[in-house]
Amino acid sequence: GAVVSQHPSRVICKSGTSVKIECRSLDFQATTMFWYRQFPKQSLMLMATSNEGSKATYEQGVEKDKFLINHASLTLSTLTVTSAHPEDSSFYICSAIGLAGAVGTDTQYFGPGTRLTVL
Amino acid sequence: GDSVTQMEGPVTLSEEAFLTINCTYTATGYPSLFWYVQYPGEGLQLLLKATKADDKGSNKGFEATYRKETTSFHLEKGSVQVSDSAVYFCASLSGGYNKLIFGAGTRLAVHP
Repeated sequence: GAVVSQHPSRVICKSGTSVKIECRSLDFQATTMFWYRQFPKQSLMLMATSNEGSKATYEQGVEKDKFLINHASLTLSTLTVTSAHPEDSSFYICSAIGLAGAVGTDTQYFGPGTRLTVL
Repeated sequence: GDSVTQMEGPVTLSEEAFLTINCTYTATGYPSLFWYVQYPGEGLQLLLKATKADDKGSNKGFEATYRKETTSFHLEKGSVQVSDSAVYFCASLSGGYNKLIFGAGTRLAVHP
């Protein structure tokens, strides 16, 4: 149980285009989903926290107009990188926490990550 | 604020050697503690966790004990395998915030 998927696993796009990454909790309902960014050989940097049906909370230094997050349902959150540039190239990872009383309410379960390359 | 400190890597071991990766934390209150593992090109997998003092988390031969007196959660395995080669992240989660605080990660390389 507690499986999180991401799609796509890898994407290459041209500079100036927008890219959408999906994060789904497959076998549990997630009240909260998180988006992280990871640079090569570094730890994870939290970008934003999203709760179903409300606006995401962004970490300091993360541009909310550039990284649009939508948490439309209890099983789906999307991250859209708008007007992508080469410096946005990175490994993006999402995670999810379950509903109170359900699986892993104090445990974040992570997706497999999405490798974004902007040319 | 809360923080997690891990020993720097890389850690290089021969197969069947004993592994210890140190992790200490600072937190207000009593966080839950986690070890995650990341294999090359993949996301993070939960390895084990402990939610209160003196709890021992264990999985796949790995163990870690929540030590409140030393604010530590060191990861150990008695006999590592080549397949254990990965990056290991220690993390804390303070109640009510849902924000995981990660250590920098420790790369483990196990050679035959």
